[in-house]
Amino acid sequence: DVKVTQSSRYLVKRTGEKVFLECVQDMDHENMFWYRQDPGLGLRLIYFSYDVKMKEKGDIPEGYSVSREKKERFSLILESASTNQTSMYLCASSLITATNEKLFFGSGTQLSVL
Amino acid sequence: AQKITQTQPGMFVQEKEAVTLDCTYDTSDPSYGLFWYKQPSSGEMIFLIYQGSYDQQNATEGRYSLNFQKARKSANLVISASQLGDSAMYFCAMREMTNYGGSQGNLIFGKGTKLSVKP
Repeated sequence: DVKVTQSSRYLVKRTGEKVFLECVQDMDHENMFWYRQDPGLGLRLIYFSYDVKMKEKGDIPEGYSVSREKKERFSLILESASTNQTSMYLCASSLITATNEKLFFGSGTQLSVL
Repeated sequence: AQKITQTQPGMFVQEKEAVTLDCTYDTSDPSYGLFWYKQPSSGEMIFLIYQGSYDQQNATEGRYSLNFQKARKSANLVISASQLGDSAMYFCAMREMTNYGGSQGNLIFGKGTKLSVKP
């Protein structure tokens, strides 16, 4: 089975801190994604990557950056955390075929910025 | 404008009964895919079912079926014989295929429906 692992389940940080959220997948998937999930808003795409060192902005990239130095690892970076970045962060990976795409998600990181 | 609309923020269903979760979508892309995901309280997102825009038959996966009505742009999820373990958030999602793999090919999620199964 595909496994997507997020390094922390819960994280508490202070305003202004630099925050790293790590995600690792073990199935050699090309595509990796970072979403944030907020009540009443569903999942919103922050960034995604379809290859090593490649990245694309999603719907809400402001305040975030990403790094993909190795295929299996996709990191989300909050350069200077703010309280409005308190949220559940979900990492996902996928292997796209011509007709289908199934995302495999990690179990999420609940980030609280105080 | 919202691309994926789930009008039911919450639903209740009696155990062993069937339930339909609504999803409508908006796209001008002739080629697209529709997905349903389940998110239990543990937080993990679980893929349930996929329907391609050119698929002639409605998708089925075990107790899950997708009622695809292309002209109405709806992709409702039907869960038959509900079980207590079906209590979860359910998300409908769409991928537009034309710009496949590019920034316009993202998976777009609805806001979700919370399903509660009563014993």
